Amino acid sequence: EDQVTQSPEALRLQEGESSSLNCSYTVSGLRGLFWYRQDPGKGPDFLFTLYSAGEEKEKERLKATLTKKESFLHITAPKPEDSATYLCAVQVKNTDKLIFGTGTRLQVFP
Amino acid sequence: DTGVSQDPRHKITKRGQNVTFRCDPISEHNRLYWYRQTLGQGPEFLTYFQNEAQLEKSRLLSDRFSAERPKGSFSTLEIQRTEQGDSAMYLCASSFRQGFAGELFFGEGSRLTVL
Repeated sequence: EDQVTQSPEALRLQEGESSSLNCSYTVSGLRGLFWYRQDPGKGPDFLFTLYSAGEEKEKERLKATLTKKESFLHITAPKPEDSATYLCAVQVKNTDKLIFGTGTRLQVFP
Repeated sequence: DTGVSQDPRHKITKRGQNVTFRCDPISEHNRLYWYRQTLGQGPEFLTYFQNEAQLEKSRLLSDRFSAERPKGSFSTLEIQRTEQGDSAMYLCASSFRQGFAGELFFGEGSRLTVL
């Protein structure tokens, strides 16, 4: 069964304290892996697409990496405005739907 | 605002009633998706359209759920005979990149509460 698992469920960081979020996946064939940010009461906002192992993408304080079994979202020197839930999703080959993980709820304190 | 628009944003209904949600995608996007999200969970795929054709539907979607996209523009999601387990946020998303189902633009969702 295709599955996505995110850890930790919640993460509290001091402003400036770098860390990483993990997304591990088990799929029959990976078409792409996607990261989204979701603020409370809002729909998810697209961040990154990763297609193959070894690929990396960066945007401001965020960097996403991909291996054959997992992806990491690295947050460097986070700020309070980075507080949100970060969702990982995979697209399985020959389908047009995403399978989402349950997300990591990040809180960054000043 | 040229983003994905959903209406209503909030709906409270009694068990057994029918509800309908509307989604207006970004105008040049030909693909439209419906997802459902419950508290503490990630979004769960329900169905998607390419233009007016409904191409995939989740096995989790019971016969009480129906979605349409007449003329390939806006879409509606109807839930008949609502149950308390239908309480969730219903998210609509659109996309223009064929084959890349993950680069989605989501609306702000329609929150359903079934009493």
